[in-house]
Amino acid sequence: NAGVTQTPKFRVLKTGQSMTLLCAQDMNHEYMYWYRQDPGMGLRLIHYSVGEGTTAKGEVPDGYNVSRLKKQNFLLGLESAAPSQTSVYFCASSYFGVKGTYEQYFGPGTRLTVT
Amino acid sequence: DAKTTQPNSMESNEEEPVHLPCNHSTISGTDYIHWYRQLPSQGPEYVIHGLTSNVNNRMASLAIAEDRKSSTLILHRATLRDAAVYYCMATSGNTPLVFGKGTRLSVIA
Repeated sequence: NAGVTQTPKFRVLKTGQSMTLLCAQDMNHEYMYWYRQDPGMGLRLIHYSVGEGTTAKGEVPDGYNVSRLKKQNFLLGLESAAPSQTSVYFCASSYFGVKGTYEQYFGPGTRLTVT
Repeated sequence: DAKTTQPNSMESNEEEPVHLPCNHSTISGTDYIHWYRQLPSQGPEYVIHGLTSNVNNRMASLAIAEDRKSSTLILHRATLRDAAVYYCMATSGNTPLVFGKGTRLSVIA
């Protein structure tokens, strides 16, 4: 049981390049999330998904797109990377608890630098 | 979601209890109180959550004030491995968690 995995772990991009970050979970969770964390800051929600084929915007969605074609995968895309997107990206997943509460499981993070 | 307020940092001696406070004065009746922690260079991990009653698990205890406007995360015996940033959040249902800056806990040997 690998939990939540993220690919790649590190990446350096030039301004204007595009890339896709992959998040995979093997816990059959309905909910998946993408956060970013800048130095010394808390996590900020980019996009999330409440089920296969659905996505929703979070707090800081601009410059990112997401897709959830399979229940176990959640992809985060940067179409034209900017230096302001230099950050550590965390993916998480969760189940829908009996009373609507849940525990989020996080991946190890992807450290992205845009030069 | 209710706004939460936590001290920026706290310090504890190893093997002593630690009480991490959190204020959530605008909490609604359906908001659960969640605590997560983030160890250095890792993703956050779940610690504990509760609604009204105090909660205990293998990692910590959660004490919730009777009016629910504040809560305290209790680590019974701090170890060096407990040095982390601790986040307190108040959300209802499956609303995504909103992380603030949390409390940075330092543990002194």
